[in-house]
Amino acid sequence: AQSVTQPDIHITVSEGASLELRCNYSYGATPYLFWYVQSPGQGLQLLLKYFSGDTLVQGIKGFEAEFKRSQSSFNLRKPSVHWSDAAEYFCAVAISRTGKSTFGDGTTLTVKP
Amino acid sequence: NAGVTQTPKFQVLKTGQSMTLQCAQDMNHNSMYWYRQDPGMGLRLIYYSASEGTTDKGEVPNGYNVSRLNKREFSLRLESAAPSQTSVYFCASRGQGWVNTEAFFGQGTRLTVV
Repeated sequence: AQSVTQPDIHITVSEGASLELRCNYSYGATPYLFWYVQSPGQGLQLLLKYFSGDTLVQGIKGFEAEFKRSQSSFNLRKPSVHWSDAAEYFCAVAISRTGKSTFGDGTTLTVKP
Repeated sequence: NAGVTQTPKFQVLKTGQSMTLQCAQDMNHNSMYWYRQDPGMGLRLIYYSASEGTTDKGEVPNGYNVSRLNKREFSLRLESAAPSQTSVYFCASRGQGWVNTEAFFGQGTRLTVV
């Protein structure tokens, strides 16, 4: 069965600093990968997705992620974090025709002024 | 465009009570999903419906039932609520492109069972 691991439960960065959130997946074939963001009290919003082609994908709000097949990773990055980026971030993989997704446990981002 | 609408937003139940969480989407999506979110555990799939008229179990279906009433609506029922079902419940839908399309989420229902 597929699985997703987000090794960092909580990350704190200073406003303006760069950010990298880690995601590792386990699946035998090419996965379809997603990053979602959840603000407090809200549902999840898609940041970006990868399913083929260029391994560096751009998303909304200045985020990007790089798919590395050799490392089974799909890390999320942002060059300069804004205070409004404080939220919980989820990596997910979808593999089946039904579109069922497996989510990681999430990484909570705190932004220091 | 409302997207995915869940009702209610908050609910407190006593152990043993029943209730139905409602979900409706206006995007003409085929697939709909119910997840629960617990601290430190991400989202876990309870049930899903790949298309109107079909439903299937996810990772944690015990204690729940679902109904895909029509293409728009997918409800989740707790027949006899237990404190272990205290959680935030999210409904989601996905369109025709199956795995390579994003899921759209509702705002969530925060359920407390006392």
